[in-house]
Amino acid sequence: GAGVSQSPSNKVTEKGKDVELRCDPISGHTALYWYRQRLGQGLEFLIYFQGNSAPDKSGLPSDRFSAERTGESVSTLTIQRTQQEDSAVYLCASSSPYLADYTDTQYFGPGTRLTVL
Amino acid sequence: AQKVTQAQTEISVVEKEDVTLDCVYETRDTTYYLFWYKQPPSGELVFLIRRNSFDEQNEISGRYSWNFQKSTSSFNFTITASQVVDSAVYFCALSEAQGGSEKLVFGKGMKLTVNP
Repeated sequence: GAGVSQSPSNKVTEKGKDVELRCDPISGHTALYWYRQRLGQGLEFLIYFQGNSAPDKSGLPSDRFSAERTGESVSTLTIQRTQQEDSAVYLCASSSPYLADYTDTQYFGPGTRLTVL
Repeated sequence: AQKVTQAQTEISVVEKEDVTLDCVYETRDTTYYLFWYKQPPSGELVFLIRRNSFDEQNEISGRYSWNFQKSTSSFNFTITASQVVDSAVYFCALSEAQGGSEKLVFGKGMKLTVNP
């Protein structure tokens, strides 16, 4: 039973470049969430997927941020024209509302640490 | 609007001391869920507990216990006989089921350091 995995674990990029962050949820989990954690802060919600649809994108901070999910599995968070304020740890979580045990509990991946120089 | 407040930002204790982490929440919904997560130095968030708004029973799991009081909108977490391995950042979080999304609203976290 693999947990949520994310890649890369660390990403250093230059201001203005685009980056892609990947999340592999727990197999069978239909819900997938992206969060951002700035240094010393709590987590901020970015986007929620149910299957391949994103009914809640309310946390995306700007139109430079986008995400997609395919095959009800892997999700990619893309940040275009990165800015220094995008530096943070990006965490992915998955859950399944259809399991009897601890329904809807979100299980988190190890995160991708993004540094924008 | 939903909000979670963890007033303590950092606590340092000596091993074997008991420590309580406070969490106060705000929500307009009658149905909601409360969580505690642990984030050790490795960075990965570890799920500790989930509690729904209709269940005010306190819970104990080993050295961990949780006190949920709707009257004060609090969901406090106590570690008994703390150990060095308990050193981590602890987050309290709240979710409301809104159209299927149970996005979590997190407090800012409380860094616990347990010294030997």
